[in-house]
Amino acid sequence: DGGITQSPKYLFRKEGQNVTLSCEQNLNHDAMYWYRQDPGQGLRLIYYSQIVNDFQKGDIAEGYSVSREKKESFPLTVTSAQKNPTAFYLCASRSLGGNEQYFGPGTRLTVT
Amino acid sequence: KNEVEQSPQNLTAQEGEFITINCSYSVGISALHWLQQHPGGGIVSLFMLSSGKKKHGRLIATINIQEKHSSLHITASHPRDSAVYICAVIKGTGNQFYFGTGTSLTVIP
Repeated sequence: DGGITQSPKYLFRKEGQNVTLSCEQNLNHDAMYWYRQDPGQGLRLIYYSQIVNDFQKGDIAEGYSVSREKKESFPLTVTSAQKNPTAFYLCASRSLGGNEQYFGPGTRLTVT
Repeated sequence: KNEVEQSPQNLTAQEGEFITINCSYSVGISALHWLQQHPGGGIVSLFMLSSGKKKHGRLIATINIQEKHSSLHITASHPRDSAVYICAVIKGTGNQFYFGTGTSLTVIP
């Protein structure tokens, strides 16, 4: 089955701790994206990557970091510098030749 | 101002009603998407449009490029259609998607 997996589905952390969210895809897509979703707001882009070992900041990159060491993997680290990390995080991927984006199931992060 | 605006924000309908959700955008686009998000959070793509009209089952999506407007219609609505519907656009040859805030639809039996 081709698709995007994110783990875990729910994640709880104490304030001040870094946390890494996993995103893996087996669609052979070149581009991968991380979005944040907050109530009443549209999805906002955190980071995206079009190729291995390269990534660009999105609109709300502060307090986050990513890596793209393998085509199929694009982990997101929420650092202690992120002021309001509690949110729903969605990973997506896209073939560079196409306009359709495929989404993972999401990770709901709660920081207390 | 958001580049993608959706209306209404919330919509409650009786089962069987015809439903319309609207999306307006302010930038030149290469494609527009309608997405569905269920309460669990996962998002699925319903349609991708660059012109005209598409139909899938009870769902119909239209786009007017000149007016920068798209509509999603649901005919004979059903409680299982209850979800958040999100409009998203991709600009020109860009790599970023821009999302509306979503329309929360509740269909009552």
